[in-house]
Amino acid sequence: GIQVEQSPPDLILQEGANSTLRCNFSDSVNNLQWFHQNPWGQLINLFYIPSGTKQNGRLSATTVATERYSLLYISSSQTTDSGVYFCAVEVYSGGYQKVTFGIGTKLQVIP
Amino acid sequence: SQTIHQWPATLVQPVGSPLSLECTVEGTSNPNLYWYRQAAGRGLQLLFYSVGIGQISSEVPQNLSASRPQDRQFILSSKKLLLSDSGFYLCAWSRGGANYGYTFGSGTRLTVV
Repeated sequence: GIQVEQSPPDLILQEGANSTLRCNFSDSVNNLQWFHQNPWGQLINLFYIPSGTKQNGRLSATTVATERYSLLYISSSQTTDSGVYFCAVEVYSGGYQKVTFGIGTKLQVIP
Repeated sequence: SQTIHQWPATLVQPVGSPLSLECTVEGTSNPNLYWYRQAAGRGLQLLFYSVGIGQISSEVPQNLSASRPQDRQFILSSKKLLLSDSGFYLCAWSRGGANYGYTFGSGTRLTVV
């Protein structure tokens, strides 16, 4: 099956710093999502981004599907950004979307 | 707008007891429904998916089963829980067809003691 690799696995940032999270995938995909899992376990969809660039406040994401990677940018980080960031790729097959998750990047933003 | 509800939020059950976790979706029809488990650490493992009433597919063999008695209801069950069933269980839905993303419920943290 498709492999999804995320880097770095762990990241500690000083509040206000910027960071880039990377997601590489091993095969063509129909779609890609970035999720943030907060300390309470809730998975929040950040971006639905099969290709191109999207921005939402301090967060932006870029997917280059032809080169099989996606980047998530966090600018001016805040303590509320802490948690685990997942990349999930979607392959549509047999009537449903098979989604494979990376193992995540655990981000800790310290004041 | 569409919403997904999952309950209970936390559950502590003894080994050998039965399990029933429920997930419902509102505001849409004929959704694709999914159960994931997140064990200690970070990985999310797909357990079951359903593209319609009574249609259940299992990704991995295990001590759990799933049912979809109604269009927007997805239930995760076990007859006898094992210690290894502990974890964080997440339900998700998506629209049928390609190019639609996932939306997750708030999860159930299950501890088997």
